[in-house]
Amino acid sequence: SAVISQKPSRDICQRGTSLTIQCQVDSQVTMMFWYRQQPGQSLTLIATANQGSEATYESGFVIDKFPISRPNLTFSTLTVSNMSPEDSSIYLCSVATRDTANQPQHFGDGTRLSIL
Amino acid sequence: AQTVTQSQPEMSVQEAETVTLSCTYDTSENNYYLFWYKQPPSRQMILVIRQEAYKQQNATENRFSVNFQKAAKSFSLKISDSQLGDTAMYFCAFFTYNQGGKLIFGQGTELSVKP
Repeated sequence: SAVISQKPSRDICQRGTSLTIQCQVDSQVTMMFWYRQQPGQSLTLIATANQGSEATYESGFVIDKFPISRPNLTFSTLTVSNMSPEDSSIYLCSVATRDTANQPQHFGDGTRLSIL
Repeated sequence: AQTVTQSQPEMSVQEAETVTLSCTYDTSENNYYLFWYKQPPSRQMILVIRQEAYKQQNATENRFSVNFQKAAKSFSLKISDSQLGDTAMYFCAFFTYNQGGKLIFGQGTELSVKP
């Protein structure tokens, strides 16, 4: 299975600032996904990161707030821009596996983000 | 559009006892997969068990088993001989090839195993 490294693992930020989260995979993958998990809640898909094209955002999420880069098949970044306390969440990266029927996605360990 | 519903926000069970977590879903697809994920405080998403919709036999993985009722669109998880390490959030998830590789998650059930 793919090994996913997500950085930073946690951070505390001031409101109005931006933070970029990195997701590195040890093998080439077609699709990468970014999720937000608010405290005590389920995972909500922010966007699908596509290599060589713009990310595909889910309803309620916009590129200006959550710009995503996908420069190659092993790496992606998510930026949380102009942060407010409502952005305090866990942000998870995942990758589509080749064995989708058995396990569609592998997940990183997440970034716990707190906004003061 | 597919939806997944977990109606039990919190559950608790005594160590060594059995607990069942509920999940229902809605879809017009005929070929799909269902999963239970465990998320301990470490935040890792751990796949617990999977079920293929075209298989009538319920999946089993050691102490974990499912009760899959396709007609009722129900997919419950039974944990036998509960252990303290089973304490976690549990998410039911739906996958079909027609939704761009996306997983659809339920709201989650927070399970506490008490000594």
